Amino acid sequence: DAGVTQSPTHLIKTRGQQVTLRCSPISGHKSVSWYQQVLGQGPQFIFQYYEKEERGRGNFPDRFSARQFPNYSSELNVNALLLGDSALYLCASSSRPVGQDNEKLFFGSGTQLSVL
Amino acid sequence: GQSLEQPSEVTAVEGAIVQINCTYQTSGFYGLSWYQQHDGGAPTFLSYNGLDGLEETGRFSSFLSRSDSYGYLLLQELQMKDSHSYFCAVGAYNQGGKLIFGQGTELSVKP
Repeated sequence: DAGVTQSPTHLIKTRGQQVTLRCSPISGHKSVSWYQQVLGQGPQFIFQYYEKEERGRGNFPDRFSARQFPNYSSELNVNALLLGDSALYLCASSSRPVGQDNEKLFFGSGTQLSVL
Repeated sequence: GQSLEQPSEVTAVEGAIVQINCTYQTSGFYGLSWYQQHDGGAPTFLSYNGLDGLEETGRFSSFLSRSDSYGYLLLQELQMKDSHSYFCAVGAYNQGGKLIFGQGTELSVKP
């Protein structure tokens, strides 16, 4: 079975531009979470979607938005890019909604976004 | 508030045992997870503790003490290939599914 897949793997944008990152969860997984990881730090929670509904949102500005499609794939959109948005964006899927006991996240390899 | 603390670096030799500690402060805590990440790739789940005590999975064990807000990851029979970053992550109720990750511990295994 394929793991969590993300595209693109690398992306270079300039300040003010908009970007869309894509994620396909493991087959059968209905929950997708997005995390931002800045070099040298741990991942920071951005969103969780389950059954196409937003279940949680981290402390990120409204420039960040996401959605989940009927096939459970997901997109993360970031508008008006800032230099500080440069990071590794990780998508993770799970079979159940995160926020309960014993959930296990399966991460993709991420999209490395560079904002110049 | 919510916070996690883990050492930034740990060094050990092949064949040895190493312990990576994690202390946390969060309300609504329900469990502590450990993830491994190599060179900024995909974090990989290692272990989860929802109850006090020790969980063992092969060469890896993880421990939790809720009363002390403390846990650790124990790696035995260290191998060079264990040289990765290790993150503890706290789950809390009513956080919308957020896992709070620590800053990560860079483990270096020397020959």
